[in-house]
Amino acid sequence: KAGVTQTPRYLIKTRGQQVTLSCSPISGHRSVSWYQQTPGQGLQFLFEYFSETQRNKGNFPGRFSGRQFSNSRSEMNVSTLELGDSALYLCASSLTADMNTEAFFGQGTRLTVV
Amino acid sequence: AQRVTQPEKLLSVFKGAPVELKCNYSYSGSPELFWYVQYSRQRLQLLLRHISRESIKGFTADLNKGETSFHLKKPFAQEEDSAMYYCALRGNKLIFGTGTLLAVQP
Repeated sequence: KAGVTQTPRYLIKTRGQQVTLSCSPISGHRSVSWYQQTPGQGLQFLFEYFSETQRNKGNFPGRFSGRQFSNSRSEMNVSTLELGDSALYLCASSLTADMNTEAFFGQGTRLTVV
Repeated sequence: AQRVTQPEKLLSVFKGAPVELKCNYSYSGSPELFWYVQYSRQRLQLLLRHISRESIKGFTADLNKGETSFHLKKPFAQEEDSAMYYCALRGNKLIFGTGTLLAVQP
């Protein structure tokens, strides 16, 4: 079956712009989580969605937002981009939001802010 | 609050040597713990989870609730084990440590 798909793979934006990243989970998966990955900080949790509802949110400013659609696809948006937002953004999908469920990761979207 | 700490950014060993990747966690409840691995140019993927008590690719990890640790071990490292390893904790959300790069030298 198809894995988690993230689009686009690469993005270059300028400071002050906004960006929308997309994630298509594995078919049948209802939980989607987003992470920011940087060399120094590792994977930082952004938010988690389950059945179109945000279950949890990490410690990121309000410029970072997301949503999940009825088909479980998810988008995250970053407004007023800053240089420090340059990172690899990873999406992970899970069948459920249960404690021991495995998360399957996409290949990520590499965002560069100039 | 949930927290995962991996104290080593880099662990370099020779082929055939034992490996131990350290992971300590903080969580007030009963967490689920995982090890994820990212090989070069591949996606992050699950290596093992503590609830399964399984050995994957020769790796094992034991949950020590007293020491709040979940160290990853392998008795004899192989070159193909070279990768980035992340310890993860699932409480009310799935969070990751900062990762340890394991480099196995020939």
